[in-house]
Amino acid sequence: NAGVTQTPKFQVLKTGQSMTLQCAQDMNHEYMSWYRQDPGMGLRLIHYSVGAGITDQGEVPNGYNVSRSTTEDFPLRLLSAAPSQTSVYFCASTLRASGYNEQFFGPGTRLTVL
Amino acid sequence: GNSVTQMEGPVTLSEEAFLTINCTYTATGYPSLFWYVQYPGEGLQLLLKATKADDKGSNKGFEATYRKETTSFHLEKGSVQVSDSAVYFCALLVQGGSEKLVFGKGTKLTVNP
Repeated sequence: NAGVTQTPKFQVLKTGQSMTLQCAQDMNHEYMSWYRQDPGMGLRLIHYSVGAGITDQGEVPNGYNVSRSTTEDFPLRLLSAAPSQTSVYFCASTLRASGYNEQFFGPGTRLTVL
Repeated sequence: GNSVTQMEGPVTLSEEAFLTINCTYTATGYPSLFWYVQYPGEGLQLLLKATKADDKGSNKGFEATYRKETTSFHLEKGSVQVSDSAVYFCALLVQGGSEKLVFGKGTKLTVNP
């Protein structure tokens, strides 16, 4: 299994540009999520999905869109990038077992918005 | 709501020193508790976990015990190595609710030779 994969690893955008961060998992997990990591802030939840066709907002959803057309893929879209969105983005998928959940993280995408 | 508070860093230790990183939590339900580690330039990796009170998670010489009475999950290691230099995150997840993983802000550990 490849686990959770993310592309690209690095990206530089200009203010106002749009882009999609890709995330895929091959573990057949229903639950997937996107976080951003900023210095001194830890990880903050942007959006999450409990299954194909179902998404919901997390703690910091503004400026981001998501969709979940398949179990495997959970892309994150920035429609009009802003410098405040400079961050490291992590995708995760969750193994849900009886009495226990565990999240698996991708390697991250480092985004800079100029 | 659910929240995690962990000790502020950075923490700097000499090799073979004893490590403690404090973590306390508040939760509306009965959480599972986790420690994640992030090495420089990498993503988060699960270090250890505990799913019920008095459970002890352990991995790579690190340990943490789920203390329901003090709502704590402190991370300890008896003798740190330079290779342990990383950022450590405490986290909780409450099943049956939103099932979102809630993180502390992270503690950066630097171990000097």
